[in-house]
Amino acid sequence: AQSVTQLDSQVPVFEEAPVELRCNYSSSVSVYLFWYVQYPNQGLQLLLKYLSGSTLVKGINGFEAEFNKSQTSFHLRKPSVHISDTAEYFCAVTPPQTGANNLFFGTGTRLTVIP
Amino acid sequence: EAQVTQNPRYLITVTGKKLTVTCSQNMNHEYMSWYRQDPGLGLRQIYYSMNVEVTDKGDVPEGYKVSRKEKRNFPLILESPSPNQTSLYFCASRPLTSGRAYEQYFGPGTRLTVT
Repeated sequence: AQSVTQLDSQVPVFEEAPVELRCNYSSSVSVYLFWYVQYPNQGLQLLLKYLSGSTLVKGINGFEAEFNKSQTSFHLRKPSVHISDTAEYFCAVTPPQTGANNLFFGTGTRLTVIP
Repeated sequence: EAQVTQNPRYLITVTGKKLTVTCSQNMNHEYMSWYRQDPGLGLRQIYYSMNVEVTDKGDVPEGYKVSRKEKRNFPLILESPSPNQTSLYFCASRPLTSGRAYEQYFGPGTRLTVT
């Protein structure tokens, strides 16, 4: 079975400061990894994904994430945040062996950017 | 515009009164899925469908039904809603065979309250 742990439920950060949102996963098989963002009163939008290849993945809006297989982590980073980055961020995994039909989400991290 | 639409966006109902939440996508995606989002629990998958007439259970299917009679539509049916089904519901879709096969597109959400 797969599980995803987002270690911080809330992260406040000042505008233009760097941020890291942590994600660890547990799985007995290899997985694909995703970060989604949910802006207030909206659906989820894909930020980036890791399927294979380079462990450093770049996404939209200046975000990037690094897959670390030994630490089973997929932390999301941005070097300088903007007010518009205030949102909830979800890490998710899916096992490709099952056709990636089941997407398992973490509980989310609410990022608040302070002016 | 490529999108996933859900109706209604907000619904307040009473225990036991059957209801249907509709979901439609205009991207010709084979795969569609329903999730519920609850505070502190993230998103959990209810049901998914690989194609017309093909559906399968997710993590929390109890109390829900789905049908897939047309490729673009995937309604969620609550035959006898109960208060523990009060939640925010998301529909999602993705292609199965393109380069974006693992990217799910989410609808705007349906907030359901069962009293």
